[in-house]
Amino acid sequence: RKEVEQDPGPFNVPEGATVAFNCTYSNSASQSFFWYRQDCRKEPKLLMSVYSSGNEDGRFTAQLNRASQYISLLIRDSKLSDSATYLCVVGPPSGTYKYIFGTGTRLKVLA
Amino acid sequence: DADVTQTPRNRITKTGKRIMLECSQTKGHDRMYWYRQDPGLGLQLIYYSFDVKDINKGEISDGYSVSRQAQAKFSLSLESAIPNQTALYFCATSDGGAATQYFGPGTRLTVL
Repeated sequence: RKEVEQDPGPFNVPEGATVAFNCTYSNSASQSFFWYRQDCRKEPKLLMSVYSSGNEDGRFTAQLNRASQYISLLIRDSKLSDSATYLCVVGPPSGTYKYIFGTGTRLKVLA
Repeated sequence: DADVTQTPRNRITKTGKRIMLECSQTKGHDRMYWYRQDPGLGLQLIYYSFDVKDINKGEISDGYSVSRQAQAKFSLSLESAIPNQTALYFCATSDGGAATQYFGPGTRLTVL
C-alpha cells in the first residue's frame, strides 16, 4: 500500500459544481495533514491545513477521518480558476522528518 | 518579495557538468528541504537540514550534495549531472515539527 494515495483524475466539472477529493494515508501515527494546490510546473502552495474537527475556508472544506485514515477536500461553487492539481500531504509523525506527498488529483473546471 | 527564492529558475546543462542550485529564505525558519518532482510522481526528498550544522540525506540523495551556508541559505549541487536528473527541483522551509512547508518557485533542470 502506498503511503499516501490519491485518485489522479482528471475530474472534469462544470463551473458552479461541487467536487470532492479523498486521500488515504497508511501511517496511523501521522499528526498533521495538508492540502496544497499546484498549478502546472509551479510550486505547491498551501491551500489549507486539515484539523481533526474539520475546517472550512470560504468555498473549501477539509475533513480528517483518523479511524479510516483519510482526508477529504470539498470545493463548492467551482470556479475556472480552481483548475489545478491538488496535493494531499501528510506531515511527519513525532520524532521523524519525512513529509509524504500524494501524486495529486487534477481538477479541470469547464465553462 | 517572495519568502523563498530559488536560482536559477531554468537551467540546461550537459552530462558530466557540475551545477549548483541555490535557495534563500526570509521566513526565519530553521528547517530547509530539497525535493525533486518528476511527472506522475510525488515530491521526493533529496536532502533536509534542521539547522546549519544538521544536514541529512533524504530518500534519493545519490548524485547530490548540499551546503547550508547560513540559516537562510541552502544549496544543492549535482556533482556530475546525468540525464535522469532532469526534473523540477523545489526548495522548501518549515518552522519545525510537522508544521506547514513553504516552497520556492522551483528550478527546471534539463540535463542533455
